[in-house]
Amino acid sequence: GAGVSQSPSNKVTEKGKDVELRCDPISGHTALYWYRQSLGQGLEFLIYFQGNSAPDKSGLPSDRFSAERTGGSVSTLTIQRTQQEDSAVYLCASSPRLADDTQYFGPGTRLTVL
Amino acid sequence: AQTVTQSQPEMSVQEAETVTLSCTYDTSENNYYLFWYKQPPSRQMILVIRQEAYKQQNATENRFSVNFQKAAKSFSLKISDSQLGDTAMYFCAFSTSGSRLTFGEGTQLTVNP
Repeated sequence: GAGVSQSPSNKVTEKGKDVELRCDPISGHTALYWYRQSLGQGLEFLIYFQGNSAPDKSGLPSDRFSAERTGGSVSTLTIQRTQQEDSAVYLCASSPRLADDTQYFGPGTRLTVL
Repeated sequence: AQTVTQSQPEMSVQEAETVTLSCTYDTSENNYYLFWYKQPPSRQMILVIRQEAYKQQNATENRFSVNFQKAAKSFSLKISDSQLGDTAMYFCAFSTSGSRLTFGEGTQLTVNP
């Protein structure tokens, strides 16, 4: 079946602009995760959605970062007033969260802030 | 808090040889999961193998196997009969049920012809 998809694949923006990154999880997966991968910080957890529960936002680095998940499926990560340190690859993963906790990743969005 | 450590930033191996990547972790949890993911230059994070902490038997997936030592908090990955397509960054990762993954720093593996 189809895997996790993310769009856009690459995004170049100017400092101070807002960006939206999209993630389509594997159909039927109830859990969705966002991670950030940058050269200096490695792989960092950002936010986690599980069904209708309140999301775990504990990894968001600042209030410029927010995410939503509509209808328990597609998720959008929004970064407001982008800064150069936001440049990174943003990875989305989904998990069936029943007998299998394995997270399956999308191809990521490379964000470059000029 | 959980931590995952990969002490080998880079490794290389000759095609058809065997290589072992090291990973140690620290946690106070008793039930957890351990994973190895590979990330080739395409940046797609691909699951290689997973291990449930309550299982004593080491997981195997074709040419990939793990040596899970729970008491030592060690989780190494052995790749047998290395292939050129195994060239990638390998990440060790830890999670408790339904929670975020905590990743190690990664090991860049190069398979030489």
